[in-house]
Amino acid sequence: GAGVSQSPSNKVTEKGKDVELRCDPISGHTALYWYRQSLGQGLEFLIYFQGNSAPDKSGLPSDRFSAERTGGSVSTLTIQRTQQEDSAVYLCASSELLITHTDTQYFGPGTRLTVL
Amino acid sequence: AQSVTQPDIHITVSEGASLELRCNYSYGATPYLFWYVQSPGQGLQLLLKYFSGDTLVQGIKGFEAEFKRSQSSFNLRKPSVHWSDAAEYFCAVGAYSGAGSYQLTFGKGTKLSVIP
Repeated sequence: GAGVSQSPSNKVTEKGKDVELRCDPISGHTALYWYRQSLGQGLEFLIYFQGNSAPDKSGLPSDRFSAERTGGSVSTLTIQRTQQEDSAVYLCASSELLITHTDTQYFGPGTRLTVL
Repeated sequence: AQSVTQPDIHITVSEGASLELRCNYSYGATPYLFWYVQSPGQGLQLLLKYFSGDTLVQGIKGFEAEFKRSQSSFNLRKPSVHWSDAAEYFCAVGAYSGAGSYQLTFGKGTKLSVIP
């Protein structure tokens, strides 16, 4: 079946603008994760959803970042008033069912965000 | 909090030579350990994972890793490297945060170059 897809693949925006990044998980996967990959910080965890619920939002870098998931499927990560330090590749992953730690996370190709 | 250290930022090996990529972790409980590979412009692909049982785990593409609790290590090995193995390799530990959010914590990655 299809893997995790993300859109857009590339996004260039001006400082101060809002952006919305989309993730389509593998069909049937109830857990969804957002990570950020940047040169200085490596791979950072941002947020995870079990179904439509995110138990902990403390991984989001600032209050300009928000995420939602609807229908237990598609998720959007929104960055308001973008800053240059938000430039990174944003990765989404999904896993089948978070019963134990054994679930494998499958990653999408990422969205490369560039803030000018 | 958990952490992962990959001491080698960049490794170069000749095609056909053996490979070992180092990974050390810090985690208070039984670790759930993963190795992912990221080829240029590609998403993260799971190579192998360890949860329990046999400390030597086999993965895809001829890779294996050995969990050594006494050394807090989970090194990745391959007996004979192919040019197509050139990529960046990430070690990760999976764990729940205090707020109930499950996440992968990644090392900074090791970039592998292969000389023909």
